[in-house]
Amino acid sequence: KAGVTQTPRYLIKTRGQQVTLSCSPISGHRSVSWYQQTPGQGLQFLFEYFSETQRNKGNFPGRFSGRQFSNSRSEMNVSTLELGDSALYLCASSWGDRGSDTQYFGPGTRLTVL
Amino acid sequence: GNSVTQMEGPVTLSEEAFLTINCTYTATGYPSLFWYVQYPGEGLQLLLKATKADDKGSNKGFEATYRKETTSFHLEKGSVQVSDSAVYFCALTLQKGAQKLVFGQGTRLTINP
Repeated sequence: KAGVTQTPRYLIKTRGQQVTLSCSPISGHRSVSWYQQTPGQGLQFLFEYFSETQRNKGNFPGRFSGRQFSNSRSEMNVSTLELGDSALYLCASSWGDRGSDTQYFGPGTRLTVL
Repeated sequence: GNSVTQMEGPVTLSEEAFLTINCTYTATGYPSLFWYVQYPGEGLQLLLKATKADDKGSNKGFEATYRKETTSFHLEKGSVQVSDSAVYFCALTLQKGAQKLVFGQGTRLTINP
């Protein structure tokens, strides 16, 4: 079974631009979560989708948004990019919606904002 | 709130040494506990998990026991290898309707041959 895939793997943008990142979960998984990883703040939860509905959202500004499609694929969008948005963005998928369900991570998208 | 505290790193050991990475948590509910590992340039891989008190998770020689009385989930391995060099993250989720992982700050482990 293929793992979680994320595209693109690397992105370079300039301040003020917007960006869309894509995540394809493991086949059959219905839950997709997004995390931001930076050296200063570590791993922080962005949001979670289950069956196309956003169930949880982390403490990030409204510039960060996401969605999930009927095939469980998910996208996240960051508008009006700031230098501080440079980070590794990780997507994770799981079969169910319980906290005890294992989340499987993709390799991440490395975003650099210049 | 919910939080995870890991032992400060980095940690450097010699091959075949005994490893312990401490992890304690605070949670408003009854959490599930996880250890994830991140190799350079990669995403996170689940190492092991435990979902109720006194459960022991184990994988690849690593073990951790869910201790509710001490709110801890310490990671141990009896004999480390160079290939175990990575960053290790302790994390929790709450049981009900929440896939939100709360991570510790990570511990960088380097094993010298």
